[in-house]
Amino acid sequence: AQKITQTQPGMFVQEKEAVTLDCTYDTSDQSYGLFWYKQPSSGEMIFLIYQGSYDEQNATEGRYSLNFQKARKSANLVISASQLGDSAMYFCAMREGISQGAQKLVFGQGTRLTINP
Amino acid sequence: ETGVTQTPRHLVMGMTNKKSLKCEQHLGHNAMYWYKQSAKKPLELMFVYNFKEQTENNSVPSRFSPECPNSSHLFLHLHTLQPEDSALYLCASRLLDNNSNQPQHFGDGTRLSIL
Repeated sequence: AQKITQTQPGMFVQEKEAVTLDCTYDTSDQSYGLFWYKQPSSGEMIFLIYQGSYDEQNATEGRYSLNFQKARKSANLVISASQLGDSAMYFCAMREGISQGAQKLVFGQGTRLTINP
Repeated sequence: ETGVTQTPRHLVMGMTNKKSLKCEQHLGHNAMYWYKQSAKKPLELMFVYNFKEQTENNSVPSRFSPECPNSSHLFLHLHTLQPEDSALYLCASRLLDNNSNQPQHFGDGTRLSIL
């Protein structure tokens, strides 16, 4: 069975500071992928960044980067220079196995990030 | 504009009503998904369709009946729902190919309340 754990129910950060959102996972698969999504109060889930288990470098996408530590089974999201618009729920999700056919994602409980002015 | 449109955005219905949720994607994708998001619980996958064929039913009660007439449209037919079915229902789509990092694209969701 696979499991995603996000241990921080809520985070409060000052604007312009960097923030790290934790995600640990449990899987017996050798090939897997990790996704981070942002969910504002309006409801839609917005894809942020992806890290494959065989990727040798940490993924980066603008102000988002992943601190991927495979041996520790962690894939923490780092947001640099936080902005007020970053306030939202953030979900870590894992794709099981090789992505042929349906991509089944397992989601964590999420972290509510609040950026203070 | 996410490219995945869900209607209605909000729905209130009684336990004996029959209603349908609609999802339409304009991204040229060929896989579609229904998820349920309840308060204080992780997103739960309900159904998966690849090229209009259902490939996953995650032990969903029969009072939820999906329909996928083509790769662009997905419906969730509801009947005789229970109060615990109140949740945000999210639709997602994805391009099926050999690229394992293709993300799922989500709609805004339908917030369903069962009286």
